Amino acid sequence: EDKVVQSPLSLVVHEGDTVTLNCSYEVTNFRSLLWYKQEKKAPTFLFMLTSSGIEKKSGRLSSILDKKELFSILNITATQTGDSAIYLCAAIIQGAQKLVFGQGTRLTINP
Amino acid sequence: DGGITQSPKYLFRKEGQNVTLSCEQNLNHDAMYWYRQDPGQGLRLIYYSQIVNDFQKGDIAEGYSVSREKKESFPLTVTSAQKNPTAFYLCASSLGINIVTGELFFGEGSRLTVL
Repeated sequence: EDKVVQSPLSLVVHEGDTVTLNCSYEVTNFRSLLWYKQEKKAPTFLFMLTSSGIEKKSGRLSSILDKKELFSILNITATQTGDSAIYLCAAIIQGAQKLVFGQGTRLTINP
Repeated sequence: DGGITQSPKYLFRKEGQNVTLSCEQNLNHDAMYWYRQDPGQGLRLIYYSQIVNDFQKGDIAEGYSVSREKKESFPLTVTSAQKNPTAFYLCASSLGINIVTGELFFGEGSRLTVL
């Protein structure tokens, strides 16, 4: 059975801290891994990672994929209260028209 | 503005009643999806459709039904056969039959509470 597992499920830090969110996957015919941010309702796209070892960066957010160890991390540096959200990762299965999502990590940034 | 519109945002129903959630998109996307989100479980796929008049079951299709009579619309019916229907429902769309760009565009969601 295809599975994506995120950790931790919940994380509370202070503004300015750096956080690392984890996503491991066990899927057949893995193609790519996606990260989404869900603040209130609709998840918004952050990154798509297909190649191992290549960091993708957007401002204070960065992500990398390790296809040998079957995991990805999402880093957020100098966190702000606006980073508080649920972060979802999902695996795209080659040849399939659907994503397998993890449980999400609820990140809370306290001022 | 282009996007996905879900309605209603909040819905209360009595047990045993069927409920239909609306999802409309004006992005000209071929593919549309319905996900269910429960606390601590992430998003689980209910149904998806790659083209008009065609749809496939996802991982948790039991107790749900869909139709795709128009490209823009993909309504989801939560039937009385769904044993635990209280949840947050998200509709999404993507450009084509292969999720190559990674971007699923999501609606704002519909929160269904069955009393």
